[in-house]
Amino acid sequence: AQSVTQPDIHITVSEGASLELRCNYSYGATPYLFWYVQSPGQGLQLLLKYFSGDTLVQGIKGFEAEFKRSQSSFNLRKPSVHWSDAAEYFCAVSPGDKLSFGAGTTVTVRA
Amino acid sequence: EAGVAQSPRYKIIEKRQSVAFWCNPISGHATLYWYQQILGQGPKLLIQFQNNGVVDDSQLPKDRFSAERLKGVDSTLKIQPAKLEDSAVYLCASSLGGGSSNEQFFGPGTRLTVL
Repeated sequence: AQSVTQPDIHITVSEGASLELRCNYSYGATPYLFWYVQSPGQGLQLLLKYFSGDTLVQGIKGFEAEFKRSQSSFNLRKPSVHWSDAAEYFCAVSPGDKLSFGAGTTVTVRA
Repeated sequence: EAGVAQSPRYKIIEKRQSVAFWCNPISGHATLYWYQQILGQGPKLLIQFQNNGVVDDSQLPKDRFSAERLKGVDSTLKIQPAKLEDSAVYLCASSLGGGSSNEQFFGPGTRLTVL
């Protein structure tokens, strides 16, 4: 069965600093890969997705993610964090039509 | 375009009571999902509908949970009787169709507390 690991439960970053969130997956083939963001009291919003092709994927809100097959990873990055980026971030995989989510990483942004 | 609507937003009940959640998907979306998100965990799929038929309910605890999607639009998720471990956020999502190429749009969720 597929699984998703987000090693960092909580990350604190200063406003304007760069951010990288880690995601590792376990699956026999390359699944579809996603990053979602959940702000307090809100539903999940899709940041970006990878299906195939270019391994560097651009998303909304200035986020990007890089798929590395050799490391079974799909890490999310943002060069300069804004206070509004404080939220919980979920990596998800889908070998078919079902989403399997990681446990999430909470990002705190300090002024 | 209106998003996925859910109600109520919050619910507090005693264990062994019953509770129902309602979801109105985005107009035209054939596929509807219910997820359970326990604190500190990612969402877990409970049930998936395609129009008014069930595609996958393998993770739904059928002894206490039930869901329906009459007329292929709105959906309700019911818990009867509730247990303490059912405390969670229940998320509804919809998409144009099944398959991961179709983006799932999520509602704000219903936070259930079972005392």
